[in-house]
Amino acid sequence: DARVTQTPRHKVTEMGQEVTMRCQPILGHNTVFWYRQTMMQGLELLAYFRNRAPLDDSGMPKDRFSAEMPDATLATLKIQPSEPRDSAVYFCASGLSPVDGRGGYTFGSGTRLTVV
Amino acid sequence: GQNIDQPTEMTATEGAIVQINCTYQTSGFNGLFWYQQHAGEAPTFLSYNVLDGLEEKGRFSSFLSRSKGYSYLLLKELQMKDSASYLCAVLNYGGSQGNLIFGKGTKLSVKP
Repeated sequence: DARVTQTPRHKVTEMGQEVTMRCQPILGHNTVFWYRQTMMQGLELLAYFRNRAPLDDSGMPKDRFSAEMPDATLATLKIQPSEPRDSAVYFCASGLSPVDGRGGYTFGSGTRLTVV
Repeated sequence: GQNIDQPTEMTATEGAIVQINCTYQTSGFNGLFWYQQHAGEAPTFLSYNVLDGLEEKGRFSSFLSRSKGYSYLLLKELQMKDSASYLCAVLNYGGSQGNLIFGKGTKLSVKP
């Protein structure tokens, strides 16, 4: 089965450090989403890309977060400097647009980030 | 603004039927998804509705009414493994835009 690959699976870092999370979307998918999930807020949309172009990053704190897609096989989410309130699970999801109703968007396994 | 509402928690008995409701108010609409998420795992796709009506897929069915901004997920013959969170998500726009906004999820507990 095709899958979305996220690295690292877990990351513990100290406050103020830079964190980079990576996502390899499913080959052929033209849309990539980044989400953050916490118990309180649920899944929050941070940014998304269509054909590698950023379409919306209004959910992302611009002063510390950045999202890029340097090529079709890699999307990155960077936090600099990290803060304890950034502790969450970060998911990447990929899919096709127009949407494929048979399979929807496929999520990666997530990166569990802990900032101490 | 954008708002997607689901009950926070539900409990049901093994073998029974449960209906999880979702209401939405979004600035655009290009379809509604249901995802299942087991604790500590990633969400997995269950269904997609873009037209009004019922879509059936095995034990799971999903219904959409666009005029009412309403959907439900129906789970039949409940099994213990169905204990999970169920997430409703709206695809906001079509064409070149299209962000996917999630509700906070409904945690379903299936009891023996």
